[in-house]
Amino acid sequence: DAMVIQNPRYQVTQFGKPVTLSCSQTLNHNVMYWYQQKSSQAPKLLFHYYDKDFNNEADTPDNFQSRRPNTSFCFLDIRSPGLGDAAMYLCATSTRLNSNQPQHFGDGTRLSIL
Amino acid sequence: AQKITQTQPGMFVQEKEAVTLDCTYDTSDQSYGLFWYKQPSSGEMIFLIYQGSYDEQNATEGRYSLNFQKARKSANLVISASQLGDSAMYFCAMREGGGGADGLTFGKGTHLIIQP
Repeated sequence: DAMVIQNPRYQVTQFGKPVTLSCSQTLNHNVMYWYQQKSSQAPKLLFHYYDKDFNNEADTPDNFQSRRPNTSFCFLDIRSPGLGDAAMYLCATSTRLNSNQPQHFGDGTRLSIL
Repeated sequence: AQKITQTQPGMFVQEKEAVTLDCTYDTSDQSYGLFWYKQPSSGEMIFLIYQGSYDEQNATEGRYSLNFQKARKSANLVISASQLGDSAMYFCAMREGGGGADGLTFGKGTHLIIQP
């Protein structure tokens, strides 16, 4: 059973048209992360939520926003997608109890920009 | 400077052979964790194995083991008896600090191809 679910699996949007990617989890983890992975590159952390506390990485563009309305759901909003934002977006969760806890990833959403 | 270095962009290995994927890391923290993930072509990230900085024993999980050499700051993944299904990208990642909420820093990955 999928524990971290990302929808949709593939998303196509137009240059400059806002887009929202969603992530839900059944693990009841208090930390949720968003990573961006461009083609043939390593995943790069954009931001994470620890419960309702939002933590933005210093080099994450302002174009990227996130919302976490409750424990189970987290959204990634791209306000004005550019061609350079085409990538796989990975959602992950973990508990904060111990640093040895792995992050559990969803299957990702592959975003294309026309 | 890169925090995680994986020096093998690609590897070809014969089925049933053992394979070692290299990973070196750079951190000034005393407490940190090292993770290996597998990413098949379908895109999902699959957790394989974890090694903590204070762990004295090398981690093992089934066919996966981690050759942890703390003084050399290396954490190589060893896959014994490779299978065709092991073909994938493999990422080494690090979490710095003692907390569990921090994100992971990933290396650039190694593309492993198992040949029959």
